[in-house]
Amino acid sequence: AQRVTQPEKLLSVFKGAPVELKCNYSYSGSPELFWYVQYSRQRLQLLLRHISRESIKGFTADLNKGETSFHLKKPFAQEEDSAMYYCALNNNAGNMLTFGGGTRLMVKP
Amino acid sequence: DGGITQSPKYLFRKEGQNVTLSCEQNLNHDAMYWYRQDPGQGLRLIYYSQIVNDFQKGDIAEGYSVSREKKESFPLTVTSAQKNPTAFYLCASSMGMTDTQYFGPGTRLTVL
Repeated sequence: AQRVTQPEKLLSVFKGAPVELKCNYSYSGSPELFWYVQYSRQRLQLLLRHISRESIKGFTADLNKGETSFHLKKPFAQEEDSAMYYCALNNNAGNMLTFGGGTRLMVKP
Repeated sequence: DGGITQSPKYLFRKEGQNVTLSCEQNLNHDAMYWYRQDPGQGLRLIYYSQIVNDFQKGDIAEGYSVSREKKESFPLTVTSAQKNPTAFYLCASSMGMTDTQYFGPGTRLTVL
């Protein structure tokens, strides 16, 4: 069975500090990983997916198959990054997304 | 994401009553999904539909039912059999099952 774990429910950093939101997964095949974000009073939306290898809003995430991780990183956090972040996995077998429990990021001024 | 609408935004229900949550999309997406969002538990899949007139149970389907009579509509009924229905419900759609999912604004259901 596939599983996604986000060990931190809350992460609080100061503006300008580096931030890393952790995501670990368990799946025996080749998964596709995503990060979704939900800003206050806005819809859940896709932030980035590992196959795109893009940097969105300064965030990057690298899939580490050896450590089964897909941590989200940003070198300098901004106040507008404060939101709820969800890591998700798709097993590419026509199956549905499995979400982690989410991490609330608070960026203090 | 503006192509997916959910109504109502807030819904109150008495115990023992069934209630139906609406989800409509005009994105011409084949796949639609219903999730339940509880604090600290992330999103859990209730039902999904890959195509019209077909739907499958997700991880927590007990106490819920759905229909997919039209491509653009995927209503969710929360029945009286659902033991703990108070939650935030999110609908999503995607072109195919492995494509990016786009989410609606959600419906907050409270059982009184």
